[in-house]
Amino acid sequence: GNSVTQMEGPVTLSEEAFLTINCTYTATGYPSLFWYVQYPGEGLQLLLKATKADDKGSNKGFEATYRKETTSFHLEKGSVQVSDSAVYFCALSDRGAGAQKLVFGQGTRLTINP
Amino acid sequence: NAGVTQTPKFRILKIGQSMTLQCTQDMNHNYMYWYRQDPGMGLKLIYYSVGAGITDKGEVPNGYNVSRSTTEDFPLRLELAAPSQTSVYFCASISTGGSNQPQHFGDGTRLSIL
Repeated sequence: GNSVTQMEGPVTLSEEAFLTINCTYTATGYPSLFWYVQYPGEGLQLLLKATKADDKGSNKGFEATYRKETTSFHLEKGSVQVSDSAVYFCALSDRGAGAQKLVFGQGTRLTINP
Repeated sequence: NAGVTQTPKFRILKIGQSMTLQCTQDMNHNYMYWYRQDPGMGLKLIYYSVGAGITDKGEVPNGYNVSRSTTEDFPLRLELAAPSQTSVYFCASISTGGSNQPQHFGDGTRLSIL
């Protein structure tokens, strides 16, 4: 079945550091890929997405590129801020017909220190 | 714009008790989902619905029931609470089943079974 594996957390960085959170997936076919972010006490929010190979999703300074050859969708940001502290989830969605069903990675907790 | 609203936010139950977690969305979305999030884990799909009167099981449906009598509401019922059901529960919705559409999440219900 489909699965998503994320880099183990927690991750602690200083403000303005470079961020990479690794995400690899196993799927049949060609899934859509997502990064969701969960701020403390809140539900998940879409951060960015990519729907086909070589697509780059970007939002709020975060980027991720859909790499079919390495089955990866790593999240990057050039200079993190304290406000980026949150839990980040990588997820995939089958491209089949019918209801979208997301498969999530286990999440990576990110803490940015000033 | 309320989006997806979940009630209650917190609840403590005794083993064997029952309760209903409420979820309402005001976006006229057809598809609705219930997930559970265990500590250090990603979200797992419990049940989903593609429209009023239609529900289906997700990955971890045992111990839960759902109904969808209206487009807006998708309650989740626990009949005989067990400690293994201690978790954070999230409701989500999406306008269509398309694989590249983002799901909209509520803020969650934190449930403890003692």
